[in-house]
Amino acid sequence: AQSVSQHNHHVILSEAASLELGCNYSYGGTVNLFWYVQYPGQHLQLLLKYFSGDPLVKGIKGFEAEFIKSKFSFNLRKPSVQWSDTAEYFCAVMLMDTGRRALTFGSGTRLQVQP
Amino acid sequence: GAVVSQHPSWVICKSGTSVKIECRSLDFQATTMFWYRQFPKQSLMLMATSNEGSKATYEQGVEKDKFLINHASLTLSTLTVTSAHPEDSSFYICSARLVNEQFFGPGTRLTVL
Repeated sequence: AQSVSQHNHHVILSEAASLELGCNYSYGGTVNLFWYVQYPGQHLQLLLKYFSGDPLVKGIKGFEAEFIKSKFSFNLRKPSVQWSDTAEYFCAVMLMDTGRRALTFGSGTRLQVQP
Repeated sequence: GAVVSQHPSWVICKSGTSVKIECRSLDFQATTMFWYRQFPKQSLMLMATSNEGSKATYEQGVEKDKFLINHASLTLSTLTVTSAHPEDSSFYICSARLVNEQFFGPGTRLTVL
């Protein structure tokens, strides 16, 4: 069965530090890739997505992610984090070779940005 | 566009009662909706895929008779937690599929006393 791994469970950074959150998936077929953010007490919001084309995708709030097919990875980056980026971040994979289009989520990474 | 609502946003019920949660796509039609469960400080776990006009597809380990899903229209799916017990307390989140994306509802927090 496919799986999504987020190796960083809890990351603590100071404001202005650079961020990179890892995401790896195990599936050899065609995938769509997503990063979602969940701020405390709020629902999931889409940060960015990759369907095809340029493997470097830019999302909202200065986030970007790079799809490296050979590494089955889709890491999230931000050059300079802000206190308001404190949230839970989820990587998700949609298998495109099945008709169901369900999402498999990673375990999430809690980001804590200290002022 | 692509807004999904859930109702109620939170519910507290006594053990043994049933609770119905609604998921609506407000500005688009969705033949497929999904129901997830999220435990505190954990990820979203897919419970079932709700298909308009047909039976839901449940993930392994999810009790069909416990979590009844009805997708009677292209904009509404309901999840009924039957004979709820304290271990059913959780955050339930739905999503609606539009082409190759899913749009998420705000979630429903269920607390069973």
